[in-house]
Amino acid sequence: EAGVTQFPSHSVIEKGQTVTLRCDPISGHDNLYWYRRVMGKEIKFLLHFVKESKQDESGMPNNRFLAERTGGTYSTLKVQPAELEDSGVYFCASSSRGLPRRYTFGSGTRLTVV
Amino acid sequence: EDKVVQSPLSLVVHEGDTVTLNCSYEVTNFRSLLWYKQEKKAPTFLFMLTSSGIEKKSGRLSSILDKKELFSILNITATQTGDSAIYLCAVESNFGNEKLTFGTGTRLTIIP
Repeated sequence: EAGVTQFPSHSVIEKGQTVTLRCDPISGHDNLYWYRRVMGKEIKFLLHFVKESKQDESGMPNNRFLAERTGGTYSTLKVQPAELEDSGVYFCASSSRGLPRRYTFGSGTRLTVV
Repeated sequence: EDKVVQSPLSLVVHEGDTVTLNCSYEVTNFRSLLWYKQEKKAPTFLFMLTSSGIEKKSGRLSSILDKKELFSILNITATQTGDSAIYLCAVESNFGNEKLTFGTGTRLTIIP
């Protein structure tokens, strides 16, 4: 079974630019999650998709962040315009519908805003 | 707000030693507690604990949960250099707010 794939693995952009991160979950996983780790802090929840619907987006920091999951397959997370404090590692995870949940994480995208 | 606290933040031991990593939590609508190992990239799953007092074991690693005192420990015996990693504790909540709340992790370094 292929794992959760994220790309790019690294991205360096200037403040004010736009960046789009992509996550391909494990095939057949309805649940897809975005998390973020900023320097020195814990990994924090951003949002949760069930198929193409946003189940919970309570962790999204502000309206510069937009997540989509077209067709319930891959997901994108766009940051526009990027600010310095957006730097960090963005993780995606997916799980199937059943319980207990088995969360599989991707390797993350390291975003650096300069 | 849900909270997970891990201790120690970092630990350096010699190969062959036994280590105990701690995780305490405060969370509403508790479903489970999970341990992950993060080496270079993706956190990889170690254990999921849902019931108090039942030890989970996998080789040299074991973990137990105390739901009354709201903590868990992860033990690693006869440590090896390959055990060097960040160990993450996370608590899963449910009922419409399904998400993981992570601690900051314990960075474990094993010296040969």
